[in-house]
Amino acid sequence: DQQVKQNSPSLSVQEGRISILNCDYTNSMFDYFLWYKKYPAEGPTFLISISSIKDKNEDGRFTVFLNKSAKHLSLHIVPSQPGDSAVYFCAASDISGGSNYKLTFGKGTLLTVNP
Amino acid sequence: EAGVTQFPSHSVIEKGQTVTLRCDPISGHDNLYWYRRVMGKEIKFLLHFVKESKQDESGMPNNRFLAERTGGTYSTLKVQPAELEDSGVYFCASSQETGDTQYFGPGTRLTVL
Repeated sequence: DQQVKQNSPSLSVQEGRISILNCDYTNSMFDYFLWYKKYPAEGPTFLISISSIKDKNEDGRFTVFLNKSAKHLSLHIVPSQPGDSAVYFCAASDISGGSNYKLTFGKGTLLTVNP
Repeated sequence: EAGVTQFPSHSVIEKGQTVTLRCDPISGHDNLYWYRRVMGKEIKFLLHFVKESKQDESGMPNNRFLAERTGGTYSTLKVQPAELEDSGVYFCASSQETGDTQYFGPGTRLTVL
């Protein structure tokens, strides 16, 4: 039973354009969401996060949008650069639950940014 | 500041053997997590330490897996005896405070033949 779903295994965009990566979740207890980027043979690298009390968080070229009613979040990368090519993981946790801080991950989306 | 380190980076063992993975968290991080990614699947939580105490071990697959964090610094994850389905990449992560962002190590790729 996958609680965090990334339905697009891969995405290809042109350099300079916008990359939009999507993530859906089913567990209504999740209240903190993160995006990690992963290069081959490396561990996931934290990119950006958002709390459920917000609907948008921005950090440079990266913006995460959260739609709680739809249980959907998305990561926008503008403008996309070839160095952004990596696997992007969506993750969620239940922070307010008090003791359950484990991250639940999606399967990842491979982003390829073409020069 | 050094990141999370893991040793070894790769391990190839025969079914039935024992393997011990090590994780050194970021200095000063009380929280340490183990995760595993089996091929084709998502990264899954195994367990969470706060200092030397196991806070949550709900993700441990079975009693062939034993995690320790003596002294609240580095952690080891022992698999004994290893089975074919234990193959995958084992990630360690740490955070300063419980609920803070978790920072991941490079992982240990375990192959059981």
